[in-house]
Amino acid sequence: RKEVEQDPGPFNVPEGATVAFNCTYSNSASQSFFWYRQDCRKEPKLLMSVYSSGNEDGRFTAQLNRASQYISLLIRDSKLSDSATYLCVVNDDYKLSFGAGTTVTVRA
Amino acid sequence: DAGVIQSPRHEVTEMGQEVTLRCKPISGHDYLFWYRQTMMRGLELLIYFNNNVPIDDSGMPEDRFSAKMPNASFSTLKIQPSEPRDSAVYFCASKTPGAGEKLFFGSGTQLSVL
Repeated sequence: RKEVEQDPGPFNVPEGATVAFNCTYSNSASQSFFWYRQDCRKEPKLLMSVYSSGNEDGRFTAQLNRASQYISLLIRDSKLSDSATYLCVVNDDYKLSFGAGTTVTVRA
Repeated sequence: DAGVIQSPRHEVTEMGQEVTLRCKPISGHDYLFWYRQTMMRGLELLIYFNNNVPIDDSGMPEDRFSAKMPNASFSTLKIQPSEPRDSAVYFCASKTPGAGEKLFFGSGTQLSVL
């Protein structure tokens, strides 16, 4: 079983729509969680950290469910510029494991 | 700060040749990571260093791969001999201590082994 697994995607949504997807992790002792964004042929960049109580950053909302060992990302009022691959990242003693990514395409 | 700097950006080589990828982390970052990304396997952690010491190299695929960090500002990932299946994008990343600190990636090296 992979350490981090993500929704297969791709998600193709119209502008203005809401899109949400999940990520599950295998190690219940994982310490911290993140969502990274990766544009085509570019390096991954931090989108947001994920806190136990859930957190928002503008149109983006991240949730953590430790009991079920999953995290989620929701994008509201999606923009064309949100088209990217979203990587779920789990930190186990500084060993950061990445999911395979969920591709989101926002169409006009 | 210039960020994490990797070189070369692109490398094309023939099977059997030695390949050396280079990375300069952000000054003051104690952790350095080497990742490999392919369409089939996504981002895989190969090895990471803390204060120039290799901590976990369990992701290194086989003995053909080796990584060094002779000082706080420089690391190399070497493949000898290279094989076509090594073709991938290799990313170097660095971070400061703290479980919540974000990872800064270099622009990656696109390696093609013919």
